[in-house]
Amino acid sequence: EAGVAQSPRYKIIEKRQSVAFWCNPISGHATLYWYQQILGQGPKLLIQFQNNGVVDDSQLPKDRFSAERLKGVDSTLKIQPAKLEDSAVYLCASSPLAGAPGNEQFFGPGTRLTVL
Amino acid sequence: GEDVEQSLFLSVREGDSSVINCTYTDSSSTYLYWYKQEPGAGLQLLTYIFSNMDMKQDQRLTVLLNKKDKHLSLRIADTQTGDSAIYFCAARGTDKLIFGTGTRLQVFP
Repeated sequence: EAGVAQSPRYKIIEKRQSVAFWCNPISGHATLYWYQQILGQGPKLLIQFQNNGVVDDSQLPKDRFSAERLKGVDSTLKIQPAKLEDSAVYLCASSPLAGAPGNEQFFGPGTRLTVL
Repeated sequence: GEDVEQSLFLSVREGDSSVINCTYTDSSSTYLYWYKQEPGAGLQLLTYIFSNMDMKQDQRLTVLLNKKDKHLSLRIADTQTGDSAIYFCAARGTDKLIFGTGTRLQVFP
């Protein structure tokens, strides 16, 4: 079974530029998550999708971050414009069904963003 | 909201046991998880425990849960150099996972 795919793996941009990340979850997984992991911290949930609908985006800085999951499969996360404090690893995860017992989330390798 | 805390570092000798500790604040957390993160990689689920259990064993891993004290631990028996990584504790209330800051485990020969 193929895992969660993310691209690019690394991205370096200057502040005020825009950037987009892409995630392809495990086939058949209904739930998709984007996390932000700042160096030295644990992942923090930015947004959760169930199929193509948003379940939780309470911690997404909506003035600069946006995400979509068209057709309930792939997802993109965009930052426009980027700030220095956005430097982090952006992790995508998927799970078969939200709320299921155990409900393991499978993580991709992440995209490391550096904002200069 | 939920807060999950862990110590930052642990150093052990190869072959010894490692014990990584975690505390959480939300007593309604239903599941508690341990994830492993190796350099440049995503998180890998190691094991999880349901809140009505107090112990779970899986090969070299033993999870202990003290629900009264909201304390979770992960014991790794016969620790190997390949176990060197960052270990994250996570708590789930509804469907949101709250992660701790991670414990960096260093195994030396």
